[in-house]
Amino acid sequence: KAGVTQTPRYLIKTRGQQVTLSCSPISGHRSVSWYQQTPGQGLQFLFEYFSETQRNKGNFPGRFSGRQFSNSRSEMNVSTLELGDSALYLCASMKEPSSRSEAFFGQGTRLTVV
Amino acid sequence: QQQVKQSPQSLIVQKGGISIINCAYENTAFDYFPWYQQFPGKGPALLIAIRPDVSEKKEGRFTISFNKSAKQFSLHIMDSQPGDSATYFCAASKTGTASKLTFGTGTRLQVTL
Repeated sequence: KAGVTQTPRYLIKTRGQQVTLSCSPISGHRSVSWYQQTPGQGLQFLFEYFSETQRNKGNFPGRFSGRQFSNSRSEMNVSTLELGDSALYLCASMKEPSSRSEAFFGQGTRLTVV
Repeated sequence: QQQVKQSPQSLIVQKGGISIINCAYENTAFDYFPWYQQFPGKGPALLIAIRPDVSEKKEGRFTISFNKSAKQFSLHIMDSQPGDSATYFCAASKTGTASKLTFGTGTRLQVTL
């Protein structure tokens, strides 16, 4: 059974540009959440999508957005990149957003903003 | 506001020893407490999880102890091995927003020979 797939694995972007990251959840999983991991702030929740709808959102500026497609694949977009956006972006998939469901993480996309 | 506090920040244990990592939470609505293990260059992997209706859960060498009244939970790794060297994160979530995990700051564990 394939795990959570995130592409690309590495990205280097220039300040002011925008970037799109992709996440394919485990087959049969319909909930996708995104997290930002940095040495200073640790793992922080960005947002969650279920059935193509954003259900929860963390405390990030509007430059961070996402969407989910009918096949449960999700994309995350960051516009007007800042140096502080350099981080490991992780995607987690769950069967459904219930407390009985476990979250499985992908390997992440390492974004470097220069 | 840090809702889940984790300690220690780093830990060195000899092979065969017991590794203990502690977490404390503030939000009494949390009802799911997983532990994740992360190796360099990898995403976090679920190790073991507990819900507040039990005080202890054991899976192989890994045990979670949960103290609801103190709002604390801990991970014990028995017979620690060099392959256990990784960063460990505790987390918490609540019913209704189960996909929104609040993570501790992580503990870097090194198991020496």
